[in-house]
Amino acid sequence: EAQVTQNPRYLITVTGKKLTVTCSQNMNHEYMSWYRQDPGLGLRQIYYSMNVEVTDKGDVPEGYKVSRKEKRNFPLILESPSPNQTSLYFCASTPGGTYGELFFGEGSRLTVL
Amino acid sequence: GENVEQHPSTLSVQEGDSAVIKCTYSDSASNYFPWYKQELGKGPQLIIDIRSNVGEKKDQRIAVTLNKTAKHFSLHITETQPEDSAVYFCAASRKTGANNLFFGTGTRLTVIP
Repeated sequence: EAQVTQNPRYLITVTGKKLTVTCSQNMNHEYMSWYRQDPGLGLRQIYYSMNVEVTDKGDVPEGYKVSRKEKRNFPLILESPSPNQTSLYFCASTPGGTYGELFFGEGSRLTVL
Repeated sequence: GENVEQHPSTLSVQEGDSAVIKCTYSDSASNYFPWYKQELGKGPQLIIDIRSNVGEKKDQRIAVTLNKTAKHFSLHITETQPEDSAVYFCAASRKTGANNLFFGTGTRLTVIP
């Protein structure tokens, strides 16, 4: 089954404790990206990757890191989480091209205390 | 950058009635306008999209209209059913891929049986 898989789905952590949210897609898509969803703000892009070893900042990259060592994986790293990073996070992938549908994972709800 | 505004933020309709969600965009160079539906506990999923070379597109009970001059586009759902209850996001882009899709703030649609 074609899908984008995120882990963990739910996480409660404390300020400053490094964490990684993994994302994996099995559709051989070129593009991958991370979004955060907050009430009243919609979906905002954090980082994106156009291919292996190619990443770039989205609209709200502060406090986050990413890596793209393999085509299928695109982990999101919070080196020192803060309470303002409490949010619902989505990973997405798309084959790219002229008009490409974004395929989203099911989301990871992160709470930073 | 692009700014997408979406209204209303919440919408309740009786089953069988129509629902309309409206979005405006700021970048006249935007040429691709998808709509995503997010069901509870799931990631957003593409339901319909329109390109700037057409003014309207239909898919069964769903239609999208685009007014390039006024820079606004709308989602129309006819004969609403309870399973249409979800959060809907509009988006705008100059091109697709993970780096140029700007989302609206979302509309929570509730269809009352």
